[in-house]
Amino acid sequence: EVQPLESGGGLVQPGGSLRLSCAASGSTFSSYVMNWVRQAPGKGLEWVSGISGGGGSTYYADSVLGRFTISRDNSKNTLYLQMNSLRGEDTAIYYCAKKAADWYFDLWGRGTLVTVSS
Amino acid sequence: EIVLTQSPGTLSLSPGERATLSCRASQRVSSTYLAWYQQKPGQAPRLLIYGASSRATGIPDRFSGSGSGTDFTLTISRLEPEDFAVFYCQQYSSSPWTFGQGTKVEIK
Repeated sequence: EVQPLESGGGLVQPGGSLRLSCAASGSTFSSYVMNWVRQAPGKGLEWVSGISGGGGSTYYADSVLGRFTISRDNSKNTLYLQMNSLRGEDTAIYYCAKKAADWYFDLWGRGTLVTVSS
Repeated sequence: EIVLTQSPGTLSLSPGERATLSCRASQRVSSTYLAWYQQKPGQAPRLLIYGASSRATGIPDRFSGSGSGTDFTLTISRLEPEDFAVFYCQQYSSSPWTFGQGTKVEIK
């Protein structure tokens, strides 16, 4: 079974960039639609982006469209999120999550914290 | 975008009591495309319920979900100490997939 582990979070200035990674164990990674879901400090959950198993289809929330890019490298069992033009409201824990049979999420990583601040 | 409103914000109960959590959608959620998650402090969310009423793998039967249309309910029949957490509903009827703001179930 896929078990995600995120990395790449940290402190970045407003307007800056950061790339998150999610390494997944298991041999079936390429079979699954993978997603990024974020949680601002003390707040609820927000779906950010998703990508099909082969990488040919991508999906974004309006709040990040044009600034964030999701991608994957199935040869490395790794999911990415390139985040550009970062804003304070992007400060959150970013979780990597596997889409189940439909667009709910049955497996989550532990998350990586992104802080956007000067 | 479908907005989900959860109530109450906080539920204070004792172990052994029954918990009833509500999730109301701003538009009809088709085909019962609603899920529930549990999140404990410092942990990732865990899937409890999908399809409004189907328990995920390994979830105890004291957790049950019901509802359709715009009104959904998560019920915990008898609270165990490990059940105290924040619970979120999520709709996957139409993109963007949205979550409620959460209900915290705390020990009274």
